[in-house]
Amino acid sequence: AQSVTQPDIHITVSEGASLELRCNYSYGATPYLFWYVQSPGQGLQLLLKYFSGDTLVQGIKGFEAEFKRSQSSFNLRKPSVHWSDAAEYFCAVGENDMRFGAGTRLTVKP
Amino acid sequence: EPEVTQTPSHQVTQMGQEVILRCVPISNHLYFYWYRQILGQKVEFLVSFYNNEISEKSEIFDDQFSVERPDGSNFTLKIRSTKLEDSAMYFCASSVLYNTEAFFGQGTRLTVV
Repeated sequence: AQSVTQPDIHITVSEGASLELRCNYSYGATPYLFWYVQSPGQGLQLLLKYFSGDTLVQGIKGFEAEFKRSQSSFNLRKPSVHWSDAAEYFCAVGENDMRFGAGTRLTVKP
Repeated sequence: EPEVTQTPSHQVTQMGQEVILRCVPISNHLYFYWYRQILGQKVEFLVSFYNNEISEKSEIFDDQFSVERPDGSNFTLKIRSTKLEDSAMYFCASSVLYNTEAFFGQGTRLTVV
């Protein structure tokens, strides 16, 4: 069965520092992979997605993610975090249905 | 920019009552979904809907849940007899193709008292 693991429940970074949020998936074929962001009290906004092709995908707000089949990973990165990036981040894998990871809460220190 | 809209934003209901959560998906989308997020927990898939029938459903989507597309624009989730544990944020989503880029609504917070 497909599943998504986000090993880090909570990450704190300083503003301007780089960020990497981890995501590992379990799936039998090449999955559709997504990263969503959720600000407090808000809905889910798609940051980026991977279906096929180039394994490094660019998203909105300066985020990127790299699909690594050998590691079953789809980690989200940003070179320089802004205070407005503080939010909950969800990795998801989709095929017959979309399964979300438990989420990683990002806190940004001034 | 087209968006998925959900009403109401917050619904309070008594245990045992029926509730209907409403969603207007993006107009040219063909696939519709409901997800649930219990406070502090992850987003959970409930059901997907295409061509006026359920495509997939999770183990959460039991007989007390039903979905309907009553007209050309609305997509509803009905909970027949609410329980306390149904309290959650319910998200509607839609996509052009099956489980490709899904656009989410802002959610309806359901509180069962």
